[in-house]
Amino acid sequence: QQQVKQSPQSLIVQKGGISIINCAYENTAFDYFPWYQQFPGKGPALLIAIRPDVSEKKEGRFTISFNKSAKQFSLHIMDSQPGDSATYFCAARVRSNFNKFYFGSGTKLNVKP
Amino acid sequence: DVKVTQSSRYLVKRTGEKVFLECVQDMDHENMFWYRQDPGLGLRLIYFSYDVKMKEKGDIPEGYSVSREKKERFSLILESASTNQTSMYLCASSGGPRSAFFGQGTRLTVV
Repeated sequence: QQQVKQSPQSLIVQKGGISIINCAYENTAFDYFPWYQQFPGKGPALLIAIRPDVSEKKEGRFTISFNKSAKQFSLHIMDSQPGDSATYFCAARVRSNFNKFYFGSGTKLNVKP
Repeated sequence: DVKVTQSSRYLVKRTGEKVFLECVQDMDHENMFWYRQDPGLGLRLIYFSYDVKMKEKGDIPEGYSVSREKKERFSLILESASTNQTSMYLCASSGGPRSAFFGQGTRLTVV
């Protein structure tokens, strides 16, 4: 079964709006939660990451919110721009298991001008 | 900057051929991974390696094998390519507390 569940599958946002992508997990052994951004024809690139002892991390327009008790985390993109149009993957890692990463199914974001 | 390089961006192979996908990383990472990416299915782990000559099956290893003779190089082998192995293949490496870093991907078409 999928270890990390991601929603929505696709998202359309107007320029300047807020994009929100959600992920949920069950495995409490996960110790690191990165988000990746992927443009068509490219490999995923690390965007931002958070550890479970922190509830929020912000880098520029990108923020991760983390709710350990609910086993949920989300990516917020503020002031979304057409250049943010890409597929976003959340992930979770079990460091004790060879640094193995488990990925969500991806969200295709389209920011309309 | 971490660099993960995959040998080919695009490959077209015939059914039944033996196919080699090569991946090299320059960060001395212990762990390397091969994923395949298909629409609607996200990234699925095929195999990973945690040290030279050490490998573990991922979630979808059937029809694939791997080789890691040197720390920086991790190869994915399709023993007898089939059309259902047409996909985007992504190599990644990671080490210590850091995130995984991906190569640019190889789009493989099996005809």
